[in-house]
Amino acid sequence: GALVYQYPRRTICKSGTSMRMECQAVGFQATSVAWYRQSPQKTFELIALSTVNSAIKYEQNFTQEKFPISHPNLSFSSMTVLNAYLEDRGLYLCGALRGGDTEVFFGKGTRLTVV
Amino acid sequence: GDSVTQMQGQVTLSEDDFLFINCTYSTTWYPTLFWYVQYPGEGPQLLLKVTTANNKGISRGFEATYDKGTTSFHLQKASVQESDSAVYYCVLGTTSGGNYKPTFGKGTSLVVHP
Repeated sequence: GALVYQYPRRTICKSGTSMRMECQAVGFQATSVAWYRQSPQKTFELIALSTVNSAIKYEQNFTQEKFPISHPNLSFSSMTVLNAYLEDRGLYLCGALRGGDTEVFFGKGTRLTVV
Repeated sequence: GDSVTQMQGQVTLSEDDFLFINCTYSTTWYPTLFWYVQYPGEGPQLLLKVTTANNKGISRGFEATYDKGTTSFHLQKASVQESDSAVYYCVLGTTSGGNYKPTFGKGTSLVVHP
């Protein structure tokens, strides 16, 4: 089956510091990876969509300078939250897609707490 | 741009009640429509999807019809169980310029009491 692992599952960082989260696809080739942030109200915000060998496309209100993403191969992606502040709190979800497919396989998320 | 409007907030039902969650969408492209379900502590997972207008998707007793005329994709289940308690997301998938993008609705939390 297609599985997506995210780590760490939870992390706490001090305001103004940075933290990196990782996403691993197992059992399939993740041609594209979508990074989302889920608010406490359960709303999803798409941060960016990354496709191997293509430019990473960031959504409005999210920038590479704040959320740099790496997608070096078909099984791994990482995203860093730089200079994290309270408004960056939430559950960060990685969704991976197989080439030509439309179903997104999600990990369980990395919960970021900023203190 | 693409958008999904979904009945928000919480729906509280008793076991064997009928479930209806409203979802409408807006796009200039030809979409694939999905319902995802998220259980506590888990990431969202696919419940059902429909790629062709006027077709119905069915899974685990849930069903939704891709109605191009009303641009809707409402989720229904005839008889809910306590195990159906979760957050349900209506999702619009579109491809533009060779790039595929899934757009999530705001989610509807379902609580089913025994």
